[in-house]
Amino acid sequence: GAVVSQHPSWVICKSGTSVKIECRSLDFQATTMFWYRQFPKQSLMLMATSNEGSKATYEQGVEKDKFLINHASLTLSTLTVTSAHPEDSSFYICSALPLGSTDTQYFGPGTRLTVL
Amino acid sequence: GNSVTQMEGPVTLSEEAFLTINCTYTATGYPSLFWYVQYPGEGLQLLLKATKADDKGSNKGFEATYRKETTSFHLEKGSVQVSDSAVYFCAGVIQKVTFGTGTKLQVIP
Repeated sequence: GAVVSQHPSWVICKSGTSVKIECRSLDFQATTMFWYRQFPKQSLMLMATSNEGSKATYEQGVEKDKFLINHASLTLSTLTVTSAHPEDSSFYICSALPLGSTDTQYFGPGTRLTVL
Repeated sequence: GNSVTQMEGPVTLSEEAFLTINCTYTATGYPSLFWYVQYPGEGLQLLLKATKADDKGSNKGFEATYRKETTSFHLEKGSVQVSDSAVYFCAGVIQKVTFGTGTKLQVIP
């Protein structure tokens, strides 16, 4: 149980295009999902907290107009990287907090984004 | 603010050796504590957790005890296997997750 999927697992795009990444909780519902970014050999950096039915909360330094988050249902959150540039290339990981849980997040497998 | 500090890697051990990865936390309050494992090219998997002082989390031969007096949550395993090679993250949760920097473990046959 407690499986989180991400799609796509990897994507290569041209500079200036937009890329959408989906995060789904497969066997549980989650009002809260999180988006992280991980640089090589580094820890996870929280980008934003996604709440179902409301606006996402972005961490300091994260551009909300560049990283659009939509949490349309209790099992799906999407991250859209708009007008991507090579510096946006990274490993993006989402996690989901099951309903009723206050601390245990379950993570997706990650999406490797490469912007050419 | 809250912070989690874990020992720097990489840690290289021979198969069947004893493993300890240190983790200490600083927090206003008492966080829930976690160990996550990340295999190459994958996301994080929950390894174990403890939510209050003296709790011991255990899974797959790994264990960690929540020590309030030393604000620590060290990860241990009595006999590591090659398949345990991965990056291990300690994390604390008070509303938000705070991750340590990760410790890479390499187990050699």
